[in-house]
Amino acid sequence: EAQVTQNPRYLITVTGKKLTVTCSQNMNHEYMSWYRQDPGLGLRQIYYSMNVEVTDKGDVPEGYKVSRKEKRNFPLILESPSPNQTSLYFCASSLLASGRASAGELFFGEGSRLTVL
Amino acid sequence: LAKTTQPISMDSYEGQEVNITCSHNNIATNDYITWYQQFPSQGPRFIIQGYKTKVTNEVASLFIPADRKSSTLSLPRVSLSDTAVYYCLVGDIWDDKIIFGKGTRLHILP
Repeated sequence: EAQVTQNPRYLITVTGKKLTVTCSQNMNHEYMSWYRQDPGLGLRQIYYSMNVEVTDKGDVPEGYKVSRKEKRNFPLILESPSPNQTSLYFCASSLLASGRASAGELFFGEGSRLTVL
Repeated sequence: LAKTTQPISMDSYEGQEVNITCSHNNIATNDYITWYQQFPSQGPRFIIQGYKTKVTNEVASLFIPADRKSSTLSLPRVSLSDTAVYYCLVGDIWDDKIIFGKGTRLHILP
């Protein structure tokens, strides 16, 4: 089954304790992205990646890191989490970068709800 | 990337046709219009995409006038399960930054 898998789905942590949210897709998509969603603010893009070893900042990258060492994985790293990073996080992937005219659909994971105390 | 403007919220009743309009005055020649649906605590789900005129699939229709400065997502005969947030996105399929706005919160009443 084609899917984007995020882990963990739920996490409560404390300020300053490094954590990683993993994201894996099995669709051979080149494009991957992380979003955070907060009440009243909609979905905001954190980082995105056009392909392996190619990453770039979205609208709200502060406090986050990413890496894209393999095509299928795009982990989100919070080196020193703070309470303002409490949010619902979504990973997404797409064939956008493949050059196919029919591309344009983003596939989302089920979300990771993070609470930083 | 073209900025989009949608109503913040809408209410409708089961069985009705619902039309959600998105304004995108600065749409560029290469931009496509894409709509997503999001249920609470789930990731957004692709509904439909179009470039001009009308596109229809098993879920919805997308109407785009000739000037492409707006678009209308049409949901036929909605049910309670169509209660969700609907996002309109405008961009080139080569866009690397994909921006979601705040969407339209659609509430279907019995």
